[in-house]
Amino acid sequence: DAGVIQSPRHEVTEMGQEVTLRCKPISGHNSLFWYRQTMMRGLELLIYFNNNVPIDDSGMPEDRFSAKMPNASFSTLKIQPSEPRDSAVYFCASSLIRDRAYTGELFFGEGSRLTVL
Amino acid sequence: KQEVTQIPAALSVPEGENLVLNCSFTDSAIYNLQWFRQDPGKGLTSLLLIQSSQREQTSGRLNASLDKSSGRSTLYIAASQPGDSATYLCAVRPWLSDSWGKFQFGAGTQVVVTP
Repeated sequence: DAGVIQSPRHEVTEMGQEVTLRCKPISGHNSLFWYRQTMMRGLELLIYFNNNVPIDDSGMPEDRFSAKMPNASFSTLKIQPSEPRDSAVYFCASSLIRDRAYTGELFFGEGSRLTVL
Repeated sequence: KQEVTQIPAALSVPEGENLVLNCSFTDSAIYNLQWFRQDPGKGLTSLLLIQSSQREQTSGRLNASLDKSSGRSTLYIAASQPGDSATYLCAVRPWLSDSWGKFQFGAGTQVVVTP
């Protein structure tokens, strides 16, 4: 299995620019999670999907952030406009859920390191 | 709100010693607990997953225990090697069905194994 695949691995952009991060979950997994990791705040859950439907986006910091999952094999996290405080590593993770009461093992991608100048 | 604590934040041991890493959580109503390893600049690698009904899980030199009543999990790494140097994180999955995806992560323990 190829694992969770994220792109780009590194992104450097200027304040005000749009940033799009991409994620391909493990084939067969039906839940997808977006996290942000910083030294100050550790790992923060931004949003998660089940069967392509957003379940909880309460962790999305503000309206500048949006996430979509158009199909079972692809998700995007978009920041528009980007700000220096958005600089962080963004992780995508996926899991297989057999029913709403069960969550399987979480598998993470390698992350996308975002630097906003 | 569930809080997950990992103490100590950093640990250094000589090669060959056994490692003991601690994870504490405030709400015992958990569904499972997962241990991860993170190398610098890398993603999180799953090490062990313990369901709430289990007391321990083992994989090679790794053994993780879970005591829900006391809100603790311990990760043991036997005969440590320099390659075990990494940050180890634990994550707790809540029992509540309306929060099933809100894993709560600890801040991690940074481990250095010296040759």
